[in-house]
Amino acid sequence: GENVEQHPSTLSVQEGDSAVIKCTYSDSASNYFPWYKQELGKRPQLIIDIRSNVGEKKDQRIAVTLNKTAKHFSLHITETQPEDSAVYFCAASRGTGGSYIPTFGRGTSLIVHP
Amino acid sequence: NAGVTQTPKFQVLKTGQSMTLQCAQDMNHNSMYWYRQDPGMGLRLIYYSASEGTTDKGEVPNGYNVSRLNKREFSLRLESAAPSQTSVYFCASTLSGSSYEQYFGPGTRLTVT
Repeated sequence: GENVEQHPSTLSVQEGDSAVIKCTYSDSASNYFPWYKQELGKRPQLIIDIRSNVGEKKDQRIAVTLNKTAKHFSLHITETQPEDSAVYFCAASRGTGGSYIPTFGRGTSLIVHP
Repeated sequence: NAGVTQTPKFQVLKTGQSMTLQCAQDMNHNSMYWYRQDPGMGLRLIYYSASEGTTDKGEVPNGYNVSRLNKREFSLRLESAAPSQTSVYFCASTLSGSSYEQYFGPGTRLTVT
């Protein structure tokens, strides 16, 4: 089955700095890579995703890059703000239409200091 | 739309007791999932239902059973609770087909003493 490694487990930055979280996956057939944000005591929510036919995707201060050859993908947050403090999870899976089974990384706790 | 709802929000059980966690979604999604979340372990899949009428085991199914009651509802049952099942349980749903975004419920915090 799929195996997803996520690093670092904790990331501490100053407000305004950039933050980068990296994930590697093992199954070369995986084709969908979402990122979820989970604030303390809340449910995970999708913040950005990328499919394997795209190398990069941006949404305001958030971007995701995918390197299919190396089997890794990364989340980039620029101009971090205190409200970006949360746990971020990456996931990888094959989206085959009828069945979608994601494998999640263990999460990165991002702390943004004002 | 309420999205994905779960009951109860909190539960304390004694070892050996049984209970059922309820999940419902009103988004006409095809697939539903149960995860457990433990500190430092991320989200681990217990069971999923790709479509109404089907269920399959995930990564950590031992000690659990599920029922896909209809398209809206997917329940998780602990037949004989153990302290190792102390966790936060999340239900999620996905449209599948054209979209794989997972929508999560608010979670159930379960403590087994």
